[in-house]
Amino acid sequence: QKEVEQNSGPLSVPEGAIASLNCTYSDRGSQSFFWYRQYSGKSPELIMFIYSNGDKEDGRFTAQLNKASQYVSLLIRDSQPSDSATYLCAVPLEYGNKLVFGAGTILRVKS
Amino acid sequence: NAGVTQTPKFQVLKTGQSMTLQCAQDMNHNSMYWYRQDPGMGLRLIYYSASEGTTDKGEVPNGYNVSRLNKREFSLRLESAAPSQTSVYFCASNLQGGNYGYTFGSGTRLTVV
Repeated sequence: QKEVEQNSGPLSVPEGAIASLNCTYSDRGSQSFFWYRQYSGKSPELIMFIYSNGDKEDGRFTAQLNKASQYVSLLIRDSQPSDSATYLCAVPLEYGNKLVFGAGTILRVKS
Repeated sequence: NAGVTQTPKFQVLKTGQSMTLQCAQDMNHNSMYWYRQDPGMGLRLIYYSASEGTTDKGEVPNGYNVSRLNKREFSLRLESAAPSQTSVYFCASNLQGGNYGYTFGSGTRLTVV
């Protein structure tokens, strides 16, 4: 099992819909969870982080964390074509010394 | 406030040549990292420096060396470039360790022919 797993996609959603991106991780001791957005040819940009079980909302983005099931998800409401990008999940492993990234999910929002 | 600055942005090397990728941050971060990104494989950690004066290997360190020159600067050296090192390289920094989000540089696209 990979340390951080994501469905590579592409995930295609129509404009205005909710996009749901999922990530599972292997280390039960992980405390923080990060979502990065990466546009083609650009560097990753931090968009959400979550530390506690439950939901965290920031504008159109909601991060959901379930530590018992070891998954974290990102919901994007009212998806826009500008949301089309690769979304990377990142989890600190090995006693929190560094982040391990999933391979990313490609999201395509169709207008 | 420039954040994390990487140079160069693009480079083409011949097999066997050497080069150093430069990274500097102006956010007073303690930890710095070098990742490579290849299609379908995500970001893989090459080396990291938890604090000034320390460096540690990541997932894919073979063929690379690093130097944490001071708190601001963390360089990555390819001693004898190989085609397998063709990749996009990202430098990142954060306050300390994996429980804080990273700020990434703009990346270096390296091609080894």
